[in-house]
Amino acid sequence: DAGVTQSPTHLIKTRGQQVTLRCSPISGHKSVSWYQQVLGQGPQFIFQYYEKEERGRGNFPDRFSARQFPNYSSELNVNALLLGDSALYLCASSLDTNTEAFFGQGTRLTVV
Amino acid sequence: AQTVTQSQPEMSVQEAETVTLSCTYDTSESDYYLFWYKQPPSRQMILVIRQEAYKQQNATENRFSVNFQKAAKSFSLKISDSQLGDAAMYFCAHVRAGSYQLTFGKGTKLSVIP
Repeated sequence: DAGVTQSPTHLIKTRGQQVTLRCSPISGHKSVSWYQQVLGQGPQFIFQYYEKEERGRGNFPDRFSARQFPNYSSELNVNALLLGDSALYLCASSLDTNTEAFFGQGTRLTVV
Repeated sequence: AQTVTQSQPEMSVQEAETVTLSCTYDTSESDYYLFWYKQPPSRQMILVIRQEAYKQQNATENRFSVNFQKAAKSFSLKISDSQLGDAAMYFCAHVRAGSYQLTFGKGTKLSVIP
């Protein structure tokens, strides 16, 4: 079975631009969560979606948005990029609460 | 809100020896889960071990075991017979029951010396 897949793996954007990151969960997993991992820190929760509905939001500005599609894949959008948005963005899928979260390899976003 | 603290930014261990990574957490919840994740240079977070708060017995997975002290809110990871492939960042994480939102510590970088 394929694991959680994220695309692209690396991305370089200019300040003020917009970016879209994509995530495909493990087959059968209906929950997708997004995390931001700044260099030298642990991942920080951004969003969680279940059955196409937002179920949780972390302490991130409105420039961050996400959605989940009928096939349970998800997109994370970040508008008006700042230098501080440079980070590894991780996607995780889960079968249910209280079960293991499986992570993708992440998208490394660099804002210049 | 939950917080997770890992007080050891870096640790090192000789190959075949044992090392313990520390983690403390703060939560007002009575039902929750704790995890140790490993993140090698490939960046993918891999679950090492999981502990249900309602279980008194410490979890074990082959060479990996935890010391879960619920009253002290402590959750340390012991790696026995360390191998070169154990070298990675290790993150302690907490999630309250019924939630998907993981709260991570800042991580401990483990080096294994041949």
